[in-house]
Amino acid sequence: GNSVTQMEGPVTLSEEAFLTINCTYTATGYPSLFWYVQYPGEGLQLLLKATKADDKGSNKGFEATYRKETTSFHLEKGSVQVSDSAVYFCALSSPADSWGKFQFGAGTQVVVTP
Amino acid sequence: EADIYQTPRYLVIGTGKKITLECSQTMGHDKMYWYQQDPGMELHLIHYSYGVNSTEKGDLSSESTVSRIRTEHFPLTLESARPSHTSQYLCASSGKWGNSYNSPLHFGNGTRLTVT
Repeated sequence: GNSVTQMEGPVTLSEEAFLTINCTYTATGYPSLFWYVQYPGEGLQLLLKATKADDKGSNKGFEATYRKETTSFHLEKGSVQVSDSAVYFCALSSPADSWGKFQFGAGTQVVVTP
Repeated sequence: EADIYQTPRYLVIGTGKKITLECSQTMGHDKMYWYQQDPGMELHLIHYSYGVNSTEKGDLSSESTVSRIRTEHFPLTLESARPSHTSQYLCASSGKWGNSYNSPLHFGNGTRLTVT
């Protein structure tokens, strides 16, 4: 079956540091890949997505590239801010499941200190 | 800007009570979902629907039930709440039926339920 594995947290960084959160997946066919962010006390928000191999999703300084050969979709940001402290979820949606059932990773908590 | 609304945001209730968690969306989405989020943050799909009068159980067994009488409304009901039901419940929706699988989920802000 489909699955998503992302690095465990918490990840603690100083402001302006470089952030990478690793995400790898297992899926049949060519899934769409997503990163969601959850701020304290809120639901999940779509951060970025990529729908085919070599696509790069980007938003708010975050980027992730769909790598078919390594089945990965790592999230990166060059210079984090305290406001980036949140939980980040990698997710996929597979064409083998036509109505759109998502698989989520376990979430990675990121803590950015001033 | 939230186009999917959940009420209440917080609920503390005694064991044995019946509760309904409300979820409504204004985007005309056919697909709607309920997730349970444990303290370790992991999301578990407990119910989903791909249109009016369709409901399915998700990956995690749940004692809750759902209904989908109107496109925009997908309430979740617990007939008899227990402490083991204490959790965060997130409602989500996505694209039109038959739309491609790359249509993202839109989430509400969640209901945090505590059963004493």
